Amino acid sequence: EAGVAQSPRYKIIEKRQSVAFWCNPISGHATLYWYQQILGQGPKLLIQFQNNGVVDDSQLPKDRFSAERLKGVDSTLKIQPAKLEDSAVYLCASNLGPEQETQYFGPGTRLLVL
Amino acid sequence: DQQVKQNSPSLSVQEGRISILNCDYTNSMFDYFLWYKKYPAEGPTFLISISSIKDKNEDGRFTVFLNKSAKHLSLHIVPSQPGDSAVYFCAASADVRAEKLTFGTGTRLTIIP
Repeated sequence: EAGVAQSPRYKIIEKRQSVAFWCNPISGHATLYWYQQILGQGPKLLIQFQNNGVVDDSQLPKDRFSAERLKGVDSTLKIQPAKLEDSAVYLCASNLGPEQETQYFGPGTRLLVL
Repeated sequence: DQQVKQNSPSLSVQEGRISILNCDYTNSMFDYFLWYKKYPAEGPTFLISISSIKDKNEDGRFTVFLNKSAKHLSLHIVPSQPGDSAVYFCAASADVRAEKLTFGTGTRLTIIP
């Protein structure tokens, strides 16, 4: 079974630029999560999708971050404009649905904002 | 406000001995706890979990203990093996479906051969 795929793996941008990350969850997984992991901290949930609907985006900085999962499969997370403090690893995770405790994580995208 | 705390950033243990990783939490609404293991350049992988109705859960070399009154849990690895060297994250959820996880800051475990 293929795991959660993310691209790019690394990205370096200057502040005020825009950036987008892509995630392809495990086939058949209805729930998709985006996390932000700042160096030295644990992952922090940004947004949770159930199929193509948003379940929880309470911790997403909506003035600059946006995410979509239009067809209920792939998802993109965008930052526009980026700030220095957005430097982090962005992790995507998925699971089968609300009754599945285990979240499967992708390798992450490491973002550096200069 | 750090609701899940792992106060030891790093831990070194001799191969074959017991590794004990600790985690404290402050939110009394947390009902379900998980441990994730993370190797460099990879995403975290689920290791073991425990519900608040239990005080112990075992899976092979891994055992998680929960002390609800102290708001403390620990992960025991016996015996420790070189492949156990990784960063371990404690996570908590206010529901048994574990949809919204709050992670600790992680403990880097190094197993010395």
